[in-house]
Amino acid sequence: GAVVSQHPSWVICKSGTSVKIECRSLDFQATTMFWYRQFPKQSLMLMATSNEGSKATYEQGVEKDKFLINHASLTLSTLTVTSAHPEDSSFYICSAGEGDGTYEQYFGPGTRLTVT
Amino acid sequence: GDSVTQMEGPVTLSEEAFLTINCTYTATGYPSLFWYVQYPGEGLQLLLKATKADDKGSNKGFEATYRKETTSFHLEKGSVQVSDSAVYFCAPSSGNTPLVFGKGTRLSVIA
Repeated sequence: GAVVSQHPSWVICKSGTSVKIECRSLDFQATTMFWYRQFPKQSLMLMATSNEGSKATYEQGVEKDKFLINHASLTLSTLTVTSAHPEDSSFYICSAGEGDGTYEQYFGPGTRLTVT
Repeated sequence: GDSVTQMEGPVTLSEEAFLTINCTYTATGYPSLFWYVQYPGEGLQLLLKATKADDKGSNKGFEATYRKETTSFHLEKGSVQVSDSAVYFCAPSSGNTPLVFGKGTRLSVIA
């Protein structure tokens, strides 16, 4: 099956710094990727839809200037958490679909961000 | 838009017990239906899927049947193992759109 990777798998950063998380579709092209965040013992919350070659679409309540999304190629989307604060500590997960009509989404392994 | 109502946990079972996790959905048209599993500290993995009415998805001893008349996709396993302990998510999808997740069902299997 299709594979989605994320890098890094975990990161610790200091408050006020920025962190970039990469999401790659390894063996298929994805015009659309999705970014979620997950707090401990909670479900996934959709943050934004990343569109190749155009601006991302953010869900209500998600600060687009804080969570910068870039989808520069058909296999790579990046999420940059700018001026991170401890409340941004979370598990970030991306997904992508092949668009083959089955509507299956393939999920990355997630990135655990801890802001100190 | 699509939505899902999933049996809330946590569910605690003894090894070899029978498992049912209920899931009902609302969606426009004919969605595909998915069960994903999340093991501790990991991302989501597809467990099984069904793309049309009356289809049965199965994998690793788990099964779920696409019931259009009751808009349900209940997950079952005849004999759970400790290694099945995880969080299970049901999700419908009507296109290349983000999946809509319920709260998930946390399953703990004890030996």
